[in-house]
Order: sequence, then structure tokens, then C-alpha cells
Amino acid sequence: AQKVTQAQTEISVVEKEDVTLDCVYETRDTTYYLFWYKQPPSGELVFLIRRNSFDEQNEISGRYSWNFQKSTSSFNFTITASQVVDSAVYFCALSEAKGDDKIIFGKGTRLHILP
Amino acid sequence: DAGVIQSPRHEVTEMGQEVTLRCKPISGHNSLFWYRQTMMRGLELLIYFNNNVPIDDSGMPEDRFSAKMPNASFSTLKIQPSEPRDSAVYFCASSSGLAGEQFFGPGTRLTVL
Repeated sequence: AQKVTQAQTEISVVEKEDVTLDCVYETRDTTYYLFWYKQPPSGELVFLIRRNSFDEQNEISGRYSWNFQKSTSSFNFTITASQVVDSAVYFCALSEAKGDDKIIFGKGTRLHILP
Repeated sequence: DAGVIQSPRHEVTEMGQEVTLRCKPISGHNSLFWYRQTMMRGLELLIYFNNNVPIDDSGMPEDRFSAKMPNASFSTLKIQPSEPRDSAVYFCASSSGLAGEQFFGPGTRLTVL
């Protein structure tokens, strides 16, 4: 069965610090997709990134970077030089390539960036 | 594109009343999802449709909940009768298939008194 674990329930860091959000997943499939979503205080869910299981290259987008390691079934998310606007709940998610788009979400990590 | 549209954005009702939540997916997307989010249970998938057909409704909590998708551009989630424990934010999302990313609507905040 597929499962996504975000062990960090809540994290607080001071602005400008780097912070890494952990995500560990379980799946029996060899083809799957991993996602990160952001939910700011306003409540909407915003898509950040999708990776497929065959692409283990790390990705960087501005201050955001993602480290995908199949060997440890992890897909961690790092924010560099954090800003107050990064305060949000971040969800990691997994989808198995079974012809539908069902996504299993982790419980989320609430990130507080303190000024 | 306007994105996924949900209505109403807020709903306050009394226990026992019928509640209908509405969703318009992004044009061209063939999968639609209903989620419920609460502090206690997090984000739960209730049901999803592919090409207007319900594929998996195992997340629907009980018979009081029902969902329909009469055409590719409209879906409803109905709760009858509503109970206070149904209070939550209900999200609708759509995607274009092949494990694509889901795009979420703004959500409907439901309060059942």
C-alpha cells in the first residue's frame, strides 16, 4: 500500500535560516510520482513540484530545492534563506501510475518563519 | 483559465439540513476529486471521478454523503442530513490525467451548528 510520512508536524525557524522538510514514502510500484503542495494561511492548496520515479535529479527553483533519493524513499524539500511569506503548511504526496490521478497526501508540516 | 471554481465559499447551516457543495473543474481536465480537511484528520480524499464516472468512493464517510458529476464541467457533493462533525473545509480538485498534478479550488468552509 502507498503511504506518505511527514514526521515533522511543526517547525519554527528564524527568517533567513535554511529549513528542510522531510518526506518519506512507501510504494510497491516502480513507476510513481511525487509532489509537494503549499497551503498558506489563506487556505488554498498550491502545487509546487512533481517528480517521476525515473528522474532522481535534484531540482532547484529559486530558494526552493528538492532532494529525491530512491534508495531511502525520500523526497525532501529545502527552503534556503527563508522568508516570512514561506510560512505555511507543506504537504508531500504520492501517486502511483495506475491510469488514474489519485494522490495520497502526507499529514503536512506546519512551517513558521519568525521575523 | 479561471481555475477550479467552488461555491459557496462559506456555508453555515443547522444540524439536519441538507448541504450542497458545487465544483466546476478546469476545462479539459478529465479527473475530479473531492477532499475534506480538518485539524484532526488532515486532508482526506472522499471520492474521485474520471471522465464523469465515480472511480473510488471509499473515502465517503457514510451514506449521508453523496457526489455526482452529471457532465464534464460540474460536480456536486451533498450532505443530507448534515451533522456538526461534518464541519470542515471541502476542497475540489481537477487534473488532466496520467498522474498529473491536481489543481485545487479555494475550498468551501462548512460549519454545521
